[in-house]
Amino acid sequence: AQSVSQHNHHVILSEAASLELGCNYSYGGTVNLFWYVQYPGQHLQLLLKYFSGDPLVKGIKGFEAEFIKSKFSFNLRKPSVQWSDTAEYFCAVDESYIPTFGRGTSLIVHP
Amino acid sequence: DTGVSQNPRHKITKRGQNVTFRCDPISEHNRLYWYRQTLGQGPEFLTYFQNEAQLEKSRLLSDRFSAERPKGSFSTLEIQRTEQGDSAMYLCASSSDRVVETQYFGPGTRLLVL
Repeated sequence: AQSVSQHNHHVILSEAASLELGCNYSYGGTVNLFWYVQYPGQHLQLLLKYFSGDPLVKGIKGFEAEFIKSKFSFNLRKPSVQWSDTAEYFCAVDESYIPTFGRGTSLIVHP
Repeated sequence: DTGVSQNPRHKITKRGQNVTFRCDPISEHNRLYWYRQTLGQGPEFLTYFQNEAQLEKSRLLSDRFSAERPKGSFSTLEIQRTEQGDSAMYLCASSSDRVVETQYFGPGTRLLVL
C-alpha cells in the first residue's frame, strides 16, 4: 500500500525565514503529487500539484515544490515565509484516483 | 459561492445511534470523495463515486458505513450503530475528470460520539 511520510510535524519560524517541508512516498510507479494547505478555520485547499513535465512546480503564494523521482520525494519550499503562512500543510500522493495523505505539518510563523 | 458544502457542520450523538451526513459537490464535478480525519492525522480515504457509481471503498469502511450518490449529484454517508472510535471530521471533496484530480474540499462534518 502507498504511504506518505512528512518528517516535520511541527515547524516554527520567524517571518522572512526560508521554509522547506519534507515529503516522501513509498510507491515506485507513476503517481500524481500534491500539497494541500489548511489555514486556521478554513477547509483544505490545493497549494500546488505535479502530474508530469518540469519537476519544479510553482504554486500559489510563492510556494514551490520539487519532484525528485530517485528519492521518492516532493518537498515544499518557500524562500521567505509570512505570518499569513501559518497553517497545516499536507502532502498527498495519488495513484489511480485514490489519494493518500501524509499526517501533516503544522507551521507557525512568528511576526 | 459554488464550492463544496457539507451538512451538518457538527453532530453530537450517543453511542449506538445512526447518523447521516450530506455532501453537495461543485455542480459540474462528477467525482465525489469521502474522507475521515482524526486529530493530528491527514485525511484518510473512505470511498469515491464517479457519477452515481461507487468505484472504490477503503478497508477502513466497515459494514456500519454506507455511502450513496443516487443521482450523481449530492451524496450521503451513513454510520450505523456509532462507536466512540467513529468520532472524527468527515470530509467530502469533489473533482472533475477534465482536470485530473484537483480535489475541492468541503468544510467537513465534525462528529462526536458520546
